[in-house]
Amino acid sequence: GQQLNQSPQSMFIQEGEDVSMNCTSSSIFNTWLWYKQDPGEGPVLLIALYKAGELTSNGRLTAQFGITRKDSFLNISASIPSDVGIYFCAGQNNAGNMLTFGGGTRLMVKP
Amino acid sequence: EAQVTQNPRYLITVTGKKLTVTCSQNMNHEYMSWYRQDPGLGLRQIYYSMNVEVTDKGDVPEGYKVSRKEKRNFPLILESPSPNQTSLYFCASSRGTGGVEAFFGQGTRLTVV
Repeated sequence: GQQLNQSPQSMFIQEGEDVSMNCTSSSIFNTWLWYKQDPGEGPVLLIALYKAGELTSNGRLTAQFGITRKDSFLNISASIPSDVGIYFCAGQNNAGNMLTFGGGTRLMVKP
Repeated sequence: EAQVTQNPRYLITVTGKKLTVTCSQNMNHEYMSWYRQDPGLGLRQIYYSMNVEVTDKGDVPEGYKVSRKEKRNFPLILESPSPNQTSLYFCASSRGTGGVEAFFGQGTRLTVV
């Protein structure tokens, strides 16, 4: 199946710092999604991107759907301790029937 | 409250003993799916269902079965579990097609010994 390369795999940052993570693929996706998973919970949708070039914000989070439709990034500004968790990117295939997930970025925030 | 409910949350079983993990959603979503999560691999789709009586294989369907007899329920069946199926399993449902904007259950941690 299609694969998404997500980086970095983990980040350990100071509270207040900005964070950036990205996903790349060799295949084109119709939709890009960003999820966050807290310990012991299922992933929760943060941002959905539906058009190439689209830039969307959700509070301190900003994500973009790459022009080539093969990449996306997520930025978190002014990180806080509750931002700790695993962030996943996901892409919907051209057939519109499946999601492919990246390997995740584990974010740790030092108060 | 909108939710996806999986049971059980934790399960330890022995190789070859058939088991079923249940999944139920109360949002009247047509699309439901099962994923397994393994360290460093993210979530990989096992099976999905676009509507009642319609199921299709995902990326890693070997060793699993599903059924969709009612819109709200989508059980995952392991006929003969093996240790390589030890994993964290998530059920999800979505309003949109293809699993976009999916709601996830809380997960089922399965250990096969």
